[in-house]
Amino acid sequence: DAGVTQSPTHLIKTRGQQVTLRCSPKSGHDTVSWYQQALGQGPQFIFQYYEEEERQRGNFPDRFSGHQFPNYSSELNVNALLLGDSALYLCASSLPGVGNSPLHFGNGTRLTVT
Amino acid sequence: GIQVEQSPPDLILQEGANSTLRCNFSDSVNNLQWFHQNPWGQLINLFYIPSGTKQNGRLSATTVATERYSLLYISSSQTTDSGVYFCAVETDGTASKLTFGTGTRLQVTL
Repeated sequence: DAGVTQSPTHLIKTRGQQVTLRCSPKSGHDTVSWYQQALGQGPQFIFQYYEEEERQRGNFPDRFSGHQFPNYSSELNVNALLLGDSALYLCASSLPGVGNSPLHFGNGTRLTVT
Repeated sequence: GIQVEQSPPDLILQEGANSTLRCNFSDSVNNLQWFHQNPWGQLINLFYIPSGTKQNGRLSATTVATERYSLLYISSSQTTDSGVYFCAVETDGTASKLTFGTGTRLQVTL
């Protein structure tokens, strides 16, 4: 039973560039959420996708966008990269429903912006 | 928004010792989860515990929702327990929109 998988594991980009990160949810899960974890801090919620639509969004600018595909996998896109976007980006999946499903996280993509 | 504070911020234990980690939150929550982030960054779900007590091996957790705190107990600690422990809460009915606490960094030494 595969868990949450993310690719790539590491990425180095230059300021102003665009990046796409990918996530496949745990088998049986159809809800995907993305988190940003800066060094030394806890993860911060970016957004959640369910039924191919963005359902909830955290306090992140429009430069952060996403997509969910019919097979429940998801992409996170970040445009016009800033140095401050350097972080570990975590994808999590869960069962549908309200408030009763633990989150399962992938191993993350470490993004460095130079 | 809700504030989630964890204590202590740092903890050093000798292998075999017991410890208690605390999570205080400032408002009512729908669910609370404890996570362990290992030194390689992997975030593992330990407990889904909006209220009551649960045990899993050497770990147990208790949440007292009416008093807005949760405790994570680690008994007979091992070096593999090292890492950062986070509690995370959800408040608006969106199960995956968690607010993470400040974390407790645990180091277990031989």
